Amino acid sequence: DAGVTQSPTHLIKTRGQQVTLRCSPISGHKSVSWYQQVLGQGPQFIFQYYEKEERGRGNFPDRFSARQFPNYSSELNVNALLLGDSALYLCASSIRDSAYEQYFGPGTRLTVT
Amino acid sequence: AQTVTQSQPEMSVQEAETVTLSCTYDTSESDYYLFWYKQPPSRQMILVIRQEAYKQQNATENRFSVNFQKAAKSFSLKISDSQLGDAAMYFCAYTRDFNKFYFGSGTKLNVKP
Repeated sequence: DAGVTQSPTHLIKTRGQQVTLRCSPISGHKSVSWYQQVLGQGPQFIFQYYEKEERGRGNFPDRFSARQFPNYSSELNVNALLLGDSALYLCASSIRDSAYEQYFGPGTRLTVT
Repeated sequence: AQTVTQSQPEMSVQEAETVTLSCTYDTSESDYYLFWYKQPPSRQMILVIRQEAYKQQNATENRFSVNFQKAAKSFSLKISDSQLGDAAMYFCAYTRDFNKFYFGSGTKLNVKP
């Protein structure tokens, strides 16, 4: 079975622009979480979605939003990009929202110039 | 807010020897879950070991074991018989309800042949 996939792999945007990142969970997984990992730091939790509903939200501004589709794939949107949004964005899926194990994707490297 | 602290930015170990990575966390909860994740240079994060706070017995997974000290809020990872493939960033993580995960800043482990 395929693991968690994310697209695109790399992305370069300009300040003020908007970006959409995509994540496809492992088949059968209904929960998707998003993390931001700034270079040299640990992942910071952004959102968790389960069965298309938001179940958790981290301490991120309203410029960050997400949604989950009926096929359990997910999109993360970031508006009005700032230089500080440059990071690796990780998606993780799990069978359910209370599952021990999250499976991480390879991430999308976003660079804001 | 919950915080997870990894005080060792980088550590080195000789191949076949044992190394211990430290992690402390701050929480007022009595029930929660702790994890160690490994992030190799390829970026994909993988789960190494987990510990439920209600279990007194320390978790073990092959060469990986933890020393969980609940009163001290300490959760260290011991890697025995270190192998070259163990070289990676190691992140300690905490969650109370699987709706939010909190990660430490990571420890880079170097394994010397």
